[in-house]
Amino acid sequence: DQQVKQNSPSLSVQEGRISILNCDYTNSMFDYFLWYKKYPAEGPTFLISISSIKDKNEDGRFTVFLNKSAKHLSLHIVPSQPGDSAVYFCAARFGNQFYFGTGTSLTVIP
Amino acid sequence: GAVVSQHPSRVICKSGTSVKIECRSLDFQATTMFWYRQFPKQSLMLMATSNEGSKATYEQGVEKDKFLINHASLTLSTLTVTSAHPEDSSFYICSGQYRSGTARETQYFGPGTRLLVL
Repeated sequence: DQQVKQNSPSLSVQEGRISILNCDYTNSMFDYFLWYKKYPAEGPTFLISISSIKDKNEDGRFTVFLNKSAKHLSLHIVPSQPGDSAVYFCAARFGNQFYFGTGTSLTVIP
Repeated sequence: GAVVSQHPSRVICKSGTSVKIECRSLDFQATTMFWYRQFPKQSLMLMATSNEGSKATYEQGVEKDKFLINHASLTLSTLTVTSAHPEDSSFYICSGQYRSGTARETQYFGPGTRLLVL
């Protein structure tokens, strides 16, 4: 069964507004979480990560929030830009293995 | 939910030997499978795309003769690292893509295989 889930396959946001991408997981033993951005025909590019001991990590326009009690992860992009349009994957690490969500396709409308 | 498995999860081998990594889609038929290699800073580089029954399409800079990909069935793809060298040490991840009718293509990732070449 999927241990990492992204329940929204797609999201559209107006340029300049906030994009919020969500991710849920089931395994409380995950110790590290990552967000990847993927353009068509390319491999996923690492975006931002967070350790399980933290609840927030910020890098420029990107902020990741971790709610361990809810087993929920979210990525906030603000302000959103048309170049942010891509598929975003969340991933969680346990030991030597990674577990990926199925991705959310973000479209930022100019 | 769809699951992709990889075997082995970790392998250590001597320089010059060949290593085979299996990628299986456990409960769906993957019309397309992708092989990635993880580099520092954790980005995944797409190595090749394979469709069942046909030859894999390799990305620029990836040696076809070194990284042999076989996609013999809709549930199994294999990556063989031939004559592995220490610089091939990396984390290799596969993913299977599934399309159902008019539904969007969904990509399911395997957990990865850590290769260490001594």
